[in-house]
Amino acid sequence: AQSVAQPEDQVNVAEGNPLTVKCTYSVSGNPYLFWYVQYPNRGLQFLLKYITGDNLVKGSYGFEAEFNKSQSSFHLKKPSALVSDSALYFCAVRDIGATDSWGKLQFGAGTQVVVTP
Amino acid sequence: DGGITQSPKYLFRKEGQNVTLSCEQNLNHDAMYWYRQDPGQGLRLIYYSQIVNDFQKGDIAEGYSVSREKKESFPLTVTSAQKNPTAFYLCASTPRTSGNDNEQFFGPGTRLTVL
Repeated sequence: AQSVAQPEDQVNVAEGNPLTVKCTYSVSGNPYLFWYVQYPNRGLQFLLKYITGDNLVKGSYGFEAEFNKSQSSFHLKKPSALVSDSALYFCAVRDIGATDSWGKLQFGAGTQVVVTP
Repeated sequence: DGGITQSPKYLFRKEGQNVTLSCEQNLNHDAMYWYRQDPGQGLRLIYYSQIVNDFQKGDIAEGYSVSREKKESFPLTVTSAQKNPTAFYLCASTPRTSGNDNEQFFGPGTRLTVL
């Protein structure tokens, strides 16, 4: 079974400071990992994904994430946060070896990011 | 514009009524998904369909039903058997490729409120 943990319900950061949103995962095989962002009363928007290769993945809106296999983590980062980054962020995992559930994702509970001016 | 549409945006239901939420995509994606979102619980999978005329239960299928008669459409019916249907419902789709490494694309959601 696959699972995702986002240990922080909310992250508060001042505008211009670095932003980190944490994610750890558990899968039986190798993972595909994804980050999404959700603004109020909207659907989820894809930010970035790790499939293979370089552990540092760059995505939309200046976000990046680092895959750390030894720690089973995939933390989302942004060097300088903006007020407009305030939103709900979701980490998701797909077990590559799960052949009976093609395309399915397991989502974390989400982390609310609040960026203050 | 290519994308996923969900309708209506807001839906109000009386207790004991069935309601159907629409999801349409013009992305030519094979797989489609329905999620329920409640505060603090993230997204929970209700049903998913990998091809036309086939679908599987997700983690919380009780009280819900779906159909997949067309590739573009994956409607969700919330039946009276669903005891706590008030939630935000999200539809998603993804192309079916050999690598299974594609992200899911999401619709704008339907907020269902039981009166």
